Amino acid sequence: QVQLKESGPGLVQPSQTLSLTCTVSGFSLTSYHVSWVRQPPGKGLEWMGVIWTGGSTAYNSLLKSRLSISRDISKSQVFLKMNSLQTEDTATYYCAREMPVAPVMDAWGQGASVTVSS
Amino acid sequence: DIQMTQSPPSLSASLGDKVTITCQASQNINKYIAWYQQKPGKAPRLLIRYTSTLESGTPSRFSGSGSGRDYSFSISNVESEDIASYYCLQYVNLPRTFGGGTKLELK
Repeated sequence: QVQLKESGPGLVQPSQTLSLTCTVSGFSLTSYHVSWVRQPPGKGLEWMGVIWTGGSTAYNSLLKSRLSISRDISKSQVFLKMNSLQTEDTATYYCAREMPVAPVMDAWGQGASVTVSS
Repeated sequence: DIQMTQSPPSLSASLGDKVTITCQASQNINKYIAWYQQKPGKAPRLLIRYTSTLESGTPSRFSGSGSGRDYSFSISNVESEDIASYYCLQYVNLPRTFGGGTKLELK
């Protein structure tokens, strides 16, 4: 059974760094890519970045300077770190599995709600 | 970046109606469009990939079509469980980009 689950702090102070973990099961990180997508309250979906099966990454240019995605294959975990958080980064953050070919996001985590506030 | 213009932003339908949502890409996306359903407080659920391929478990009342820059998504015989927001996604290029979403409500 394919599962993804995000975890991390629900509250982050402005200018601080957000660290989220996506723990996956039912598939291997060497066989599927993993993307991060976020959704501000009441708004649409924004793709943030991806870690490919080979371990390389690609980021949304709007976030590239602040964003880092990495992984620990042995723990089946993917990590998101984003620095210099502002209130507009308040959102639900999702990790999603991407097919290795024609990479549509076909399975999603439940989401982690993050509020940026002092 | 490829822009995905989705319309309408909201849609009101009666049970049993047919509804159609469109997405226009800013360039040819070669049918690499997917459609997602999202209910409040839940993650998006993939319904259709590659323009018209239904995912396992997607009811046959859902359909997709299109080519080039122009794509559509339809629900025939709307049911109460279809009340949700719907998003298109292009995945031909990075960055992946979503349409702005369509909120389907009951009339």
